[in-house]
Amino acid sequence: EPEVTQTPSHQVTQMGQEVILRCVPISNHLYFYWYRQILGQKVEFLVSFYNNEISEKSEIFDDQFSVERPDGSNFTLKIRSTKLEDSAMYFCASSQASGSPLHFGNGTRLTVT
Amino acid sequence: DAKTTQPNSMESNEEEPVHLPCNHSTISGTDYIHWYRQLPSQGPEYVIHGLTSNVNNRMASLAIAEDRKSSTLILHRATLRDAAVYYCIPTLMDSNYQLIWGAGTKLIIKP
Repeated sequence: EPEVTQTPSHQVTQMGQEVILRCVPISNHLYFYWYRQILGQKVEFLVSFYNNEISEKSEIFDDQFSVERPDGSNFTLKIRSTKLEDSAMYFCASSQASGSPLHFGNGTRLTVT
Repeated sequence: DAKTTQPNSMESNEEEPVHLPCNHSTISGTDYIHWYRQLPSQGPEYVIHGLTSNVNNRMASLAIAEDRKSSTLILHRATLRDAAVYYCIPTLMDSNYQLIWGAGTKLIIKP
């Protein structure tokens, strides 16, 4: 069964550094998402992306965050200047159509020191 | 967004059916009821969704109350692999498909 893949599985970075989290969504999917989960807390929506633009974003997704689909297969989340509180699991998801179930990757654990 | 109430945790024996309840009394008429689960150290996984009628798929069944204020996810024969946190999420089915997650129910399966 096709799956969403995320790399790296674990990223350690120093505060203030830029990080790029990478995702390869399922190939025929058109809608892309990033969610995050701080350790021991709820899963939180960050952003949804369709037709090469952001369709919705949460309050968490401030100017430090950006998303891009640089080619036909990758979907990236960039954090420009990481803070300690950005430490979390970041999950990428994709769906085939509006309202279709989301398929999630297994996440990237980001640790900011 | 509709508020949901789920038990913090439930236990079940392997090979037995499991009924996971969810209250969503403030659900709007156009919200679908979605269920996802999250196995340990994995990303969330879609389980099932429905609007008014009961739904079945290969993973589970979803029973929706007539007034839509509650629903029950039914695992017909739980296995150890079903041990996970189960999330009930009412949401609109539109292009801005934003899931609002609660704390979910941690399902413990006893061998």
